[in-house]
Amino acid sequence: KNEVEQSPQNLTAQEGEFITINCSYSVGISALHWLQQHPGGGIVSLFMLSSGKKKHGRLIATINIQEKHSSLHITASHPRDSAVYICAVRRWNDKLIFGTGTRLQVFP
Amino acid sequence: DTGVSQDPRHKITKRGQNVTFRCDPISEHNRLYWYRQTLGQGPEFLTYFQNEAQLEKSRLLSDRFSAERPKGSFSTLEIQRTEQGDSAMYLCASSHDGQAYEQYFGPGTRLTVT
Repeated sequence: KNEVEQSPQNLTAQEGEFITINCSYSVGISALHWLQQHPGGGIVSLFMLSSGKKKHGRLIATINIQEKHSSLHITASHPRDSAVYICAVRRWNDKLIFGTGTRLQVFP
Repeated sequence: DTGVSQDPRHKITKRGQNVTFRCDPISEHNRLYWYRQTLGQGPEFLTYFQNEAQLEKSRLLSDRFSAERPKGSFSTLEIQRTEQGDSAMYLCASSHDGQAYEQYFGPGTRLTVT
């Protein structure tokens, strides 16, 4: 079993839909990252959080430390949100462990 | 542009050849990380540096792989005697101790071994 599990693996949505991507982890962490990867490989950090909730524009990330679970929400999705979203947890030795990613496609 | 840069962006090589990749971190960042990502998978940790010191290496980093960061600035990752299984995206990231260790990623080097 992977230490970081994401669901779903693939997600298709119509423009305007509310989207949720889930991440569960089984190890102790100091922080959790949500990352976005576009075709071509570049990775952009969306959020780093260790408790509660963060919001940036149409993106919201939440984490429940007790349940070892985090969610990434996208409100009013748009085709430009199409990308792979990766959850990564930071161990106390600063190493990142990544999930396999959720491929999101938003159609007009 | 003051982000993390990697060179080259793409490399095609024949099996058995040696390849070297370069990463230039954000200038004030003292930590530098190398990751490898194969198709359809998330990145996997390879190694990381704090300044010029290589602090940890993954078991994924066989003796054909070597990484250096001689002056604590840019880093190189060399793969000797490449194998087809080395085909992957090699990602570099950097961070600064004073910024809660948030890592900034470069665009990656895509290696194809034929």
